[in-house]
Amino acid sequence: DAGITQSPRYKITETGRQVTLMCHQTWSHSYMFWYRQDLGHGLRLIYYSAAADITDKGEVPDGYVVSRSKTENFPLTLESATRSQTSVYFCASSDPYRVNYGYTFGSGTRLTVV
Amino acid sequence: AQSVAQPEDQVNVAEGNPLTVKCTYSVSGNPYLFWYVQYPNRGLQFLLKYITGDNLVKGSYGFEAEFNKSQTSFHLKKPSALVSDSALYFCAVRDETGGFKTIFGAGTRLFVKA
Repeated sequence: DAGITQSPRYKITETGRQVTLMCHQTWSHSYMFWYRQDLGHGLRLIYYSAAADITDKGEVPDGYVVSRSKTENFPLTLESATRSQTSVYFCASSDPYRVNYGYTFGSGTRLTVV
Repeated sequence: AQSVAQPEDQVNVAEGNPLTVKCTYSVSGNPYLFWYVQYPNRGLQFLLKYITGDNLVKGSYGFEAEFNKSQTSFHLKKPSALVSDSALYFCAVRDETGGFKTIFGAGTRLFVKA
């Protein structure tokens, strides 16, 4: 099905473990983004990417790593999870020629770090 | 740097009454402004945008927003609220000089009472 898919939907992990959140889109959008949603903070940009192999830091990149070897995939890795990274994570994508028409978001991954 | 403020954590309105959800922004250049809605356990959905032109823009589900450059505001409005409008609303801004990333506000929860 066309769209933007995030996996897993829910994840519980222990402090110090590495965890990877997956994001896959079927539109071949060049732009992709990772946000985290926390009460009182809204959505904060973690990393974004203009194209394959081009990534840049957002507002809150510390503790996260991204890669983009293929246009359609944009995984987010927490190298050593901390409790402060408990959050809901959203992936989004956009066609660069339609970036002013808003983003399309995935359904989110709820991550709990215990 | 661009920023967005949503001064109200929550807005309560009776069904059938008009609603307003407030948003102010700060950017260096001309702003591109957006409103998104989030229903429980879902990703964000695009509602409407302002890029240029008419200060009153219309979007999905009967929502509209008024751009006011002198007050740097972009308030979301609807003439007659529905119970089904109850959700979390996010204002977002992209700065024409800041690349293609979008910054989101903290969100405003709208409750519409029957």
